[in-house]
Amino acid sequence: GQSLEQPSEVTAVEGAIVQINCTYQTSGFYGLSWYQQHDGGAPTFLSYNALDGLEETGRFSSFLSRSDSYGYLLLQELQMKDSASYFCAVREANQAGTALIFGKGTTLSVSS
Amino acid sequence: DVKVTQSSRYLVKRTGEKVFLECVQDMDHENMFWYRQDPGLGLRLIYFSYDVKMKEKGDIPEGYSVSREKKERFSLILESASTNQTSMYLCASSSTGGLYEQYFGPGTRLTVT
Repeated sequence: GQSLEQPSEVTAVEGAIVQINCTYQTSGFYGLSWYQQHDGGAPTFLSYNALDGLEETGRFSSFLSRSDSYGYLLLQELQMKDSASYFCAVREANQAGTALIFGKGTTLSVSS
Repeated sequence: DVKVTQSSRYLVKRTGEKVFLECVQDMDHENMFWYRQDPGLGLRLIYFSYDVKMKEKGDIPEGYSVSREKKERFSLILESASTNQTSMYLCASSSTGGLYEQYFGPGTRLTVT
């Protein structure tokens, strides 16, 4: 089967840097995605890593190490609006192979 | 912009009722998905479809069925609603060339009493 582990909660202050880790166990790995969901809102896509290394998009970066079955989302210069839940996700390794399996999510609380 | 719409934001049904949740996407995406989201459990996949009339079970299909008669529309059916199906239901779609980027609808908060 497939499983993903991520911390349930993370707290930080405005302007700080926070890292949300995700470890995964899969029978076949294609890549790791990250999604953001504000309270009451729909999840929105943030980033995707298929290869090892760091991908940067503005204040957000995502890292993948395939050998360690590990990735993280790095949020820099935190703002209050970054308070949200963050989910990592991997592609389901079944015959259809089009679905994603999501972690349980990490709730990030940013305080002033 | 991709748009995924769901038929209702809030729905209250009685135990034993048949419930239909509708989802429509306007970007000609091949793949569509139904999830339920509960506190502490994240997003759990109920069913998905990668083509018209095709469907695949996700992690928690029991008590649900789906229908995809047209490419843009994917329906979730609760044959006989039960209180443990009270949840937030999210629909999503993706293209075959963009499997990692799913677009989500606003969700339907279903309460079964």
